[in-house]
Amino acid sequence: DAGVIQSPRHEVTEMGQEVTLRCKPISGHDYLFWYRQTMMRGLELLIYFNNNVPIDDSGMPEDRFSAKMPNASFSTLKIQPSEPRDSAVYFCASSPTASPYNEQFFGPGTRLTVL
Amino acid sequence: QKEVEQDPGPLSVPEGAIVSLNCTYSNSAFQYFMWYRQYSRKGPELLMYTYSSGNKEDGRFTAQVDKSSKYISLFIRDSQPSDSATYLCAMRLAGAQKLVFGQGTRLTINP
Repeated sequence: DAGVIQSPRHEVTEMGQEVTLRCKPISGHDYLFWYRQTMMRGLELLIYFNNNVPIDDSGMPEDRFSAKMPNASFSTLKIQPSEPRDSAVYFCASSPTASPYNEQFFGPGTRLTVL
Repeated sequence: QKEVEQDPGPLSVPEGAIVSLNCTYSNSAFQYFMWYRQYSRKGPELLMYTYSSGNKEDGRFTAQVDKSSKYISLFIRDSQPSDSATYLCAMRLAGAQKLVFGQGTRLTINP
């Protein structure tokens, strides 16, 4: 299995631009999670989906952030408009319902820099 | 106050040393406790998993949970340079999917 796939791996943009991050979860996994990691705040859960339905978006920082999961194999996290404080590494993770440990499998991350 | 507190380090020790990494937490309802390891420029990966209180050993790694003190630990014996990484504790409620992570401790093992 290829694991969780994220694109792009690096993104540099200017303040005010729209940014779209993409994720392909592991096939057969029912849960998909979006995290943000910074030195100051560590790893924070932004939103997670179960069977393509958003379950908890309480970690989404503000209305500039939105996430969708149109099907079981694809999810996007969009920031519009982007701000310098959004600079971080964004991780997507997926998890199968049947896992005894509810282990989450992380992708390699997208390193976002907003100038 | 954060739900999960973890000293970010950095922590630097010589090869072969015993390493102790710790987290404290405030929510006594947490039931499942995990340690993730994250190499530089990679995503975290699950290293150890324990349920409720007690110890769990896996090779050179031992995870301990003390629910009465709301304190969890990860011990690494005979540490190797390949153990150099950031270690994140994580925990969740019973029946929940959401993980709450500590900030992570950056560990370097010097040859």
